[in-house]
Amino acid sequence: NAGVMQNPRHLVRRRGQEARLRCSPMKGHSHVYWYRQLPEEGLKFMVYLQKENIIDESGMPKERFSAEFPKEGPSILRIQQVVRGDSAAYFCASSPIPPPTDEQYFGPGTRLTVT
Amino acid sequence: AQKVTQAQTEISVVEKEDVTLDCVYETRDTTYYLFWYKQPPSGELVFLIRRNSFDEQNEISGRYSWNFQKSTSSFNFTITASQVVDSAVYFCALSESNNDMRFGAGTRLTVKP
Repeated sequence: NAGVMQNPRHLVRRRGQEARLRCSPMKGHSHVYWYRQLPEEGLKFMVYLQKENIIDESGMPKERFSAEFPKEGPSILRIQQVVRGDSAAYFCASSPIPPPTDEQYFGPGTRLTVT
Repeated sequence: AQKVTQAQTEISVVEKEDVTLDCVYETRDTTYYLFWYKQPPSGELVFLIRRNSFDEQNEISGRYSWNFQKSTSSFNFTITASQVVDSAVYFCALSESNNDMRFGAGTRLTVKP
């Protein structure tokens, strides 16, 4: 049973470009969470999605950021017109049941660098 | 309000010393879960332990041990006989009935040979 998969592992974008981060949850998991870790900081919650639904996006910046979890395929975190401040590690996690849960498994992260 | 507080930003010890990483949490829920993760220099998150709010038993796993005390809302992590490979950033986290897992700011542990 493969774990949570994220790709790419490293992504370099120039200012103004778009970044697309993908997360494939563990098999049987229909709940996905995205977190951002700025350099030298802890992880901060961004968004929680179930299949085809955004449940909580209270941690998402109001502009340029969006997330989806379609019926088929991975969850996508999309950042439009990236700026240097978007440089961070973005972690995805999945769980088989809604929170609170002790079964939230993390992927290896995508490290975004904006030049 | 900070839900998970890791007051120690950085700790430095010499190999073979014991070290305790503190974690204090805040919640009004009766059902919640606590976690510790290790983040080595390679950057991935390594799961160490999870604990639910109804299980206050302390746990030992090799050189690692955890002390969960609801009375003080603490979930401290002790490494016995530390090794250089223990050098990493350690995060404590809380999962409640809302939709996210709250992480502490992390404690950077450096173990010197």
